[in-house]
Amino acid sequence: AQKVTQAQTEISVVEKEDVTLDCVYETRDTTYYLFWYKQPPSGELVFLIRRNSFDEQNEISGRYSWNFQKSTSSFNFTITASQVVDSAVYFCALSYNQGGKLIFGQGTELSVKP
Amino acid sequence: GAVVSQHPSWVICKSGTSVKIECRSLDFQATTMFWYRQFPKQSLMLMATSNEGSKATYEQGVEKDKFLINHASLTLSTLTVTSAHPEDSSFYICSASGSDVRNEQYFGPGTRLTVT
Repeated sequence: AQKVTQAQTEISVVEKEDVTLDCVYETRDTTYYLFWYKQPPSGELVFLIRRNSFDEQNEISGRYSWNFQKSTSSFNFTITASQVVDSAVYFCALSYNQGGKLIFGQGTELSVKP
Repeated sequence: GAVVSQHPSWVICKSGTSVKIECRSLDFQATTMFWYRQFPKQSLMLMATSNEGSKATYEQGVEKDKFLINHASLTLSTLTVTSAHPEDSSFYICSASGSDVRNEQYFGPGTRLTVT
């Protein structure tokens, strides 16, 4: 069975702090895709990144970085020098094929205070 | 990126009535559309998957007679909540995918349903 766990329900940081959001997944498939989405208060999901199971390279995009480790089935997300605009709920998700249905984690609500 | 719209963005209806939510892919052909439901402070849960021209595949626990899904064209899918009750109040989000967009999945902005 496929499952995504985001153990951190809520995180609160002060602006400019670094913060890491954890994501652990379970799947028996050898081919799968992992995603991170941001959901601001408006509710619309914002796509952040997709990784396939064969690409373990870490990625950096501006203040965002992702650490994918198959050995620990984790796909963690770090925001460096957080800003108030980063406040949102962040979801990690898993799919077994591109364009297929997504299995979401419970979400982590990040609050960045000025 | 590709654009998916939903209409209405919010709706209030009385208990016992039916309400229809539309999901449209504006600039690509969506061979597959997904409907998710999100209760307050909770995650998104997949309700059903629909392929154009076929009957929708519902996830376990989702009543197909209550949540009618139609995907009659490559740009439009509809979700009808029949005989709505207050417990159906939720945020409904659709997503669409197709070969036009390399099978990437694009999300609509969501529809907030309140049943009084």
